[in-house]
Amino acid sequence: DAGITQSPRHKVTETGTPVTLRCHQTENHRYMYWYRQDPGHGLRLIHYSYGVKDTDKGEVSDGYSVSRSKTEDFLLTLESATSSQTSVYFCAISEGLTGRGVVYEQYFGPGTRLTVT
Amino acid sequence: GIQVEQSPPDLILQEGANSTLRCNFSDSVNNLQWFHQNPWGQLINLFYIPSGTKQNGRLSATTVATERYSLLYISSSQTTDSGVYFCACRQGSYIPTFGRGTSLIVHP
Repeated sequence: DAGITQSPRHKVTETGTPVTLRCHQTENHRYMYWYRQDPGHGLRLIHYSYGVKDTDKGEVSDGYSVSRSKTEDFLLTLESATSSQTSVYFCAISEGLTGRGVVYEQYFGPGTRLTVT
Repeated sequence: GIQVEQSPPDLILQEGANSTLRCNFSDSVNNLQWFHQNPWGQLINLFYIPSGTKQNGRLSATTVATERYSLLYISSSQTTDSGVYFCACRQGSYIPTFGRGTSLIVHP
């Protein structure tokens, strides 16, 4: 599987606290994504990036910001966490050049479980 | 945007049974993937299959792009097949649309 790590893997924080989640890839894939997964809602896209410093909003971007200063890192920030942001957050990557050519498959990281109390 | 519907939403099987999961999409796609989310939450790539048929062990998938559906076949199911199966489609852009998933429980 693609080399994608997320940190932290688990976090408990208090309402109003800023939180930053990190996604790191070793695959040199162009696209990176942040999703949240909640019961009954499936996977919902928060933000995505199509290159260094190039980002755009997904369907549930309110309350979140992102940054990508290097190809390998994509940060998701909750400026002031709320209980509604308690969720499992997944990072994903796609479009990379491998030994078998350009691959368009999307690969997911292991997820971060965030609890906002 | 494109709509992706998966069926059935829930499926319960005895070990050894076969099953077929379906993914319907509302428009032409240039990218379709099947994922398995295991009970520990990990999302695992099963198939990248915008068209045609692929097989990997007991699993196989077929996408009929002209009729806008894809099927995932699980043969001789095992308890380790339990979890949620997602279909994700892309239509030109690099933003996939996910279906709601099929939740599969395989009893020993």
